[in-house]
Amino acid sequence: AQKVTQAQTEISVVEKEDVTLDCVYETRDTTYYLFWYKQPPSGELVFLIRRNSFDEQNEISGRYSWNFQKSTSSFNFTITASQVVDSAVYFCALSEAGRTAGNKLTFGGGTRVLVKP
Amino acid sequence: DAGVIQSPRHEVTEMGQEVTLRCKPISGHDYLFWYRQTMMRGLELLIYFNNNVPIDDSGMPEDRFSAKMPNASFSTLKIQPSEPRDSAVYFCASSLDGGQGLAKNIQYFGAGTRLSVL
Repeated sequence: AQKVTQAQTEISVVEKEDVTLDCVYETRDTTYYLFWYKQPPSGELVFLIRRNSFDEQNEISGRYSWNFQKSTSSFNFTITASQVVDSAVYFCALSEAGRTAGNKLTFGGGTRVLVKP
Repeated sequence: DAGVIQSPRHEVTEMGQEVTLRCKPISGHDYLFWYRQTMMRGLELLIYFNNNVPIDDSGMPEDRFSAKMPNASFSTLKIQPSEPRDSAVYFCASSLDGGQGLAKNIQYFGAGTRLSVL
């Protein structure tokens, strides 16, 4: 069975500080996808990033960056120079990658980020 | 392009009443998912469809819950009779199978329906 763990339930920072969100996953699949979603106070779930299990290259996209380490089953997410608008709950998620997998997502419990002005 | 559209955004009903939640997926997407979000259980998958056919309903909590997808552009999640413990936010999501051996596998979510059963 797949499992995603986000050990941090809440993080509070002051604007312009960096925020790193931890995510640890468990899966028996050799090929899978990892995701980060954002849920702002308005409630919708917004897709942020996706990573393939066979590509461990870490990237930066604007103020977002992620660190995927297959050896430790971790997929951490960093917001650089945080802004008040980054205040939200962030979810890490995992899915199988095969054609018959159905793209089912297993979500972590979420980390609430509060960015204070 | 329009995203996933859910209606209603909010629903308040009394215990025992029938509740129907609606979802219009992104045009062209061939997977549709229903999730439920609660404080206690987080985000959990209830059921998903591929090309309008239910594939896995193992997450549906009990027989009071049913879901249909009569065509590629519409799905419903029905609770009959509703109970206070069904109070939650229900999300619909859709995705596209990109073919070539691997699914594109990005689920796009609607804004959710906040259900309160009194």
